[in-house]
Amino acid sequence: GESVGLHLPTLSVQEGDNSIINCAYSNSASDYFIWYKQESGKGPQFIIDIRSNMDKRQGQRVTVLLNKTVKHLSLQIAATQPGDSAVYFCAENKGGGFKTIFGAGTRLFVKA
Amino acid sequence: GAGVSQSPSNKVTEKGKDVELRCDPISGHTALYWYRQRLGQGLEFLIYFQGNSAPDKSGLPSDRFSAERTGESVSTLTIQRTQQEDSAVYLCASSLAGDRGLGELFFGEGSRLTVL
Repeated sequence: GESVGLHLPTLSVQEGDNSIINCAYSNSASDYFIWYKQESGKGPQFIIDIRSNMDKRQGQRVTVLLNKTVKHLSLQIAATQPGDSAVYFCAENKGGGFKTIFGAGTRLFVKA
Repeated sequence: GAGVSQSPSNKVTEKGKDVELRCDPISGHTALYWYRQRLGQGLEFLIYFQGNSAPDKSGLPSDRFSAERTGESVSTLTIQRTQQEDSAVYLCASSLAGDRGLGELFFGEGSRLTVL
């Protein structure tokens, strides 16, 4: 199956600080990108998405930035809280829900 | 129920046995996905269903793995002659849109398989 089978990189931030999680995607034809959050023992949950005709989208405390030139996606979390501690995955697909491919994931630790 | 339901939540089996993992998607969701997640790693795509057909089986690791889906409902992932490297969490997700549009996936909590 497709994925990046690496041990997860980690990011440790102080409560209240902003977090930036980065992701490099693989397929230049991908036109839809999603960030998911996975808490321990649970399935991933949708956070925010962005289409390839946009370069920025904001949600509640989260912003996704897309740079198609270098195939890079980032997730910014404002005022990070302990409840934000989780593994974050970027995902890409082409043409909608077909074959969503996940990146390696980043583990976020929030220090109180 | 309101979400994607998977069973069993935990399965311990002996090497060489067959296992079946079940997924009940959200009602009305046409697309259904199976992923494998090894401990501390990312999600590995296995197979995708649109309705009861599987346009993409490219992620199935070997011919010991198979999956089927009844209409736009339940799916079963079967692993025959299990091996220790099959130990992982198997995640199922469903989606409204399939090929037609936005593809947010709704995940179940997974079936944790341990092969002794």
